[in-house]
Amino acid sequence: DAGVIQSPRHEVTEMGQEVTLRCKPISGHNSLFWYRQTMMRGLELLIYFNNNVPIDDSGMPEDRFSAKMPNASFSTLKIQPSEPRDSAVYFCASSSPAGTQYFGPGTRLLVL
Amino acid sequence: EDQVTQSPEALRLQEGESSSLNCSYTVSGLRGLFWYRQDPGKGPEFLFTLYSAGEEKEKERLKATLTKKESFLHITAPKPEDSATYLCAVQAGNNAGNMLTFGGGTRLMVKP
Repeated sequence: DAGVIQSPRHEVTEMGQEVTLRCKPISGHNSLFWYRQTMMRGLELLIYFNNNVPIDDSGMPEDRFSAKMPNASFSTLKIQPSEPRDSAVYFCASSSPAGTQYFGPGTRLLVL
Repeated sequence: EDQVTQSPEALRLQEGESSSLNCSYTVSGLRGLFWYRQDPGKGPEFLFTLYSAGEEKEKERLKATLTKKESFLHITAPKPEDSATYLCAVQAGNNAGNMLTFGGGTRLMVKP
């Protein structure tokens, strides 16, 4: 199995621009999670989906953040407009009903 | 609110010098405690899941143990390739999904 796939791996953008991060979960997994990792705050859950339906988005920091999962094999996390404080590494993870989450390689975002 | 605290934040060991990492947790009914390893520039890699007090699991030089309040990751005769950040996470019993709450991690450095 290819594991969780994320793209792009690195993104540099300017403040105010729209950023879209993409994730392909492991085939057969029915839960998908978006995390943000910073030195100050560690690994934080932003939102998670179960069977393509958003279950808990309480970690989404602001209305500038949105996430979608149009089908079982694809999800996006969008930031519009982006701000310098959004700079972080964003991880996608997926899990089967058994519960172990497997992480992708992450997208390193820098907002100038 | 579920809380996970890891100590120490950083640990320097000489090759072959055994030690332990601590993960203290407060959770409403533990469903599972997870250990992950994270190398620089990569996503967390799953190591172990522990489900009940008294349980132990081993993998090469690593052994994870669990009590009702904390978990330990014991590293026996570490090698430089064991250098990484080790993350602990809990899954609560009242959690309808597979959400995890992560600790801040312990950064382990093993010198030859």
